[in-house]
Amino acid sequence: KAGVTQTPRYLIKTRGQQVTLSCSPISGHRSVSWYQQTPGQGLQFLFEYFSETQRNKGNFPGRFSGRQFSNSRSEMNVSTLELGDSALYLCASSKTAGNTIYFGEGSWLTVV
Amino acid sequence: KQEVTQIPAALSVPEGENLVLNCSFTDSAIYNLQWFRQDHGKGLTSLLLIQSSQREQTSGRLNASLDKSSGRSTLYIAASQPGDSATYLCAVISLLWAGSYQLTFGKGTKLSVIP
Repeated sequence: KAGVTQTPRYLIKTRGQQVTLSCSPISGHRSVSWYQQTPGQGLQFLFEYFSETQRNKGNFPGRFSGRQFSNSRSEMNVSTLELGDSALYLCASSKTAGNTIYFGEGSWLTVV
Repeated sequence: KQEVTQIPAALSVPEGENLVLNCSFTDSAIYNLQWFRQDHGKGLTSLLLIQSSQREQTSGRLNASLDKSSGRSTLYIAASQPGDSATYLCAVISLLWAGSYQLTFGKGTKLSVIP
């Protein structure tokens, strides 16, 4: 079966722009979460969605937002991009908290 | 606040050696623990999930153990191969409100297996 799919894989944006990243979870998985990975901070939790509801949000500014659609696909948006937003953004999906969590290949964002 | 530490940060071993990667966490009230590997520039690949009621899980040459009371988990890799070279990440899964959960990651152990 298909894994977690993230698009786009690579993108370059300019400071002040906004970006939208997309994630398609594994079929049947209703929980989708997002993580930011940087060399300095490691992997940090952004938010988690279940059945179109954001259940939990990490300690990130309001410029970071997301949503989940009725087919469980999710998007995250970052507005007013800063250089420090350059990172690998990873999406993960699972059936529930008790099940194995699967990650996508990630979206590499470079802000110049 | 949960904190996860992985030691060592980097490890280089000759092919064929058995090795142990360590993960420690500060809050023993965890739900599950999951080990991942990450190849350079790639996403995370799930290796093993250990539920809090379990003490260990095995998959092929990998064996992961969990000791909640001492806040520790180990990943044992038998007969290491060059293809095992990657960064290994430990993630503690905490159950929150209304079924929500959150992963807290360690910084990882970068493993190099020398042919």
